Amino acid sequence: GNSVTQMEGPVTLSEEAFLTINCTYTATGYPSLFWYVQYPGEGLQLLLKATKADDKGSNKGFEATYRKETTSFHLEKGSVQVSDSAVYFCALRVAGNQFYFGTGTSLTVIP
Amino acid sequence: GAVVSQHPSRVICKSGTSVKIECRSLDFQATTMFWYRQFPKQSLMLMATSNEGSKATYEQGVEKDKFLINHASLTLSTLTVTSAHPEDSSFYICSAKAASTDTQYFGPGTRLTVL
Repeated sequence: GNSVTQMEGPVTLSEEAFLTINCTYTATGYPSLFWYVQYPGEGLQLLLKATKADDKGSNKGFEATYRKETTSFHLEKGSVQVSDSAVYFCALRVAGNQFYFGTGTSLTVIP
Repeated sequence: GAVVSQHPSRVICKSGTSVKIECRSLDFQATTMFWYRQFPKQSLMLMATSNEGSKATYEQGVEKDKFLINHASLTLSTLTVTSAHPEDSSFYICSAKAASTDTQYFGPGTRLTVL
């Protein structure tokens, strides 16, 4: 079946620290992989995506590489800011536009 | 980017009543809308997929007679929780997709509490 497992939170970091949120997946076929971010009181927003193996998605300083050999799509950022505080969801999409989401990881960045 | 709204953002109702949640695409025509449910500290679970003008396709284990979905226009889909019970309390999120793209845009969610 299809599923996503992501690192449990909450994660608390100091400003300018390095961030890694782990995400691994199980999928039939060849999924596309996504990271979504949810700021307080808002809907999910697409942060970045990768559609095939070895693709790297990047946006706003965040990066994630589609690793087929390890079935992973870990999210990284070199220097986090207070404004990055949010909940991050890893997701995969299979044929038919169906999404499978991880449980979300809450990130709090303190000044 | 495209905007999807949900109304209401929070609703509290008594057991046995029905509740309607609206999902609107504000600046694009949504040929397909999706309804998700999120339990605390769990992932979003797809409940159903609706295409404008046709019946919704429900995921296994989702009661279609309990969760009525209507997608009567290209900008509006509604989810009605009929005869709500406390176990229906959850966070309901919709997403919408235009025909010309495979990107889904998510609404902010609706918190339903059934007393």
